[in-house]
Amino acid sequence: AQKVTQAQTEISVVEKEDVTLDCVYETRDTTYYLFWYKQPPSGELVFLIRRNSFDEQNEISGRYSWNFQKSTSSFNFTITASQVVDSAVYFCALSSNSGGYQKVTFGTGTKLQVIP
Amino acid sequence: EAQVTQNPRYLITVTGKKLTVTCSQNMNHEYMSWYRQDPGLGLRQIYYSMNVEVTDKGDVPEGYKVSRKEKRNFPLILESPSPNQTSLYFCASSLRSGVDEQFFGPGTRLTVL
Repeated sequence: AQKVTQAQTEISVVEKEDVTLDCVYETRDTTYYLFWYKQPPSGELVFLIRRNSFDEQNEISGRYSWNFQKSTSSFNFTITASQVVDSAVYFCALSSNSGGYQKVTFGTGTKLQVIP
Repeated sequence: EAQVTQNPRYLITVTGKKLTVTCSQNMNHEYMSWYRQDPGLGLRQIYYSMNVEVTDKGDVPEGYKVSRKEKRNFPLILESPSPNQTSLYFCASSLRSGVDEQFFGPGTRLTVL
């Protein structure tokens, strides 16, 4: 069985603060994929990043950065200098092979509120 | 425009009245999936499809059916809806099964009275 844990249910920060969203995953597979998605108040789900299990390089995209550590089974997401537009629910997801099929499991999400 | 469409967007129905939520994608994706989103539970996978005529249960399949007769369409069927199926439903597709990013539809908010 595979599992994704986002222990932070809600986080509030003041604009321009940095914030890190935690994601811990469990899988028995050696090949797997990790994702982050954003769900703004308007409700749509937007893809942010994909990382495969063989690529532990951290990634930076503008104010967003991701830290993938296999040793701790974590794939954390940091927003630098947060802005009001970052207010959203963020989901971490894991895709790995389950009985011959690739299943996707989402975490329960972290609601981020950025206060102006 | 590449997109996933769902219909209807909103639906209020009564217990036991069969309904179908349609999902269609125009990106020639192999993988399609249905999720339900409930407060505090995140997104939970109902069913997924690796390709035409290939479907499998996700984590919460009870009370739902799906079919994949054409590559672009993946309807979700509730044969006898119950109030515990009141939820926000998302259809998604990706190029390859679970490996690539998923493109999500706009969601269908279903209320079962």
